[in-house]
Amino acid sequence: EAQVTQNPRYLITVTGKKLTVTCSQNMNHEYMSWYRQDPGLGLRQIYYSMNVEVTDKGDVPEGYKVSRKEKRNFPLILESPSPNQTSLYFCASSYGGRVTGELFFGEGSRLTVL
Amino acid sequence: GENVEQHPSTLSVQEGDSAVIKCTYSDSASNYFPWYKQELGKRPQLIIDIRSNVGEKKDQRIAVTLNKTAKHFSLHITETQPEDSAVYFCAANSPRNSGNTPLVFGKGTRLSVIA
Repeated sequence: EAQVTQNPRYLITVTGKKLTVTCSQNMNHEYMSWYRQDPGLGLRQIYYSMNVEVTDKGDVPEGYKVSRKEKRNFPLILESPSPNQTSLYFCASSYGGRVTGELFFGEGSRLTVL
Repeated sequence: GENVEQHPSTLSVQEGDSAVIKCTYSDSASNYFPWYKQELGKRPQLIIDIRSNVGEKKDQRIAVTLNKTAKHFSLHITETQPEDSAVYFCAANSPRNSGNTPLVFGKGTRLSVIA
């Protein structure tokens, strides 16, 4: 089954404790992206990657890191989480190339930073 | 970069009535305009999209219209049903020479269909 898988789905952590949210897709997509969703603010892009070893900042990259060492994986790293990073996070992927296409979203990861 | 404005933020309609959600965008180079539906507790999923070479697209009870001159596009849902209740997001891309481009989303519209 074609899917985007995120882990963990739910996480409560404390300020400053490094964490990683993993994202994996099995559709051979070139393009992957991370969004955060907050009430009233919609979906805001954190980082995106057009292919392996190619990453770029989105609209709200502060406090986050990403890496794209393999085509299927795009982990989101919070080196020193803060309470303002409490949010619902979505990973998404699409075919890539020069034509923008459908984004396939993971199920979401709800993060709480105390 | 691209900026997408979406209105209204909330919308309530009676079952069977039509619903219209409007979005405007700022980047005249944008050429792809999808709409996503997010049911409560679920992930966003694509329901319809339109590219800039057409002005309207329909899929059963949903349709999207695009006015490139005015830089706005709209989602139309006819004969609404309770299962249409969800948050709807519009989006637009920002083409760049490097290829596939990130989507910029509107802030969403919470649609409630009252039975």
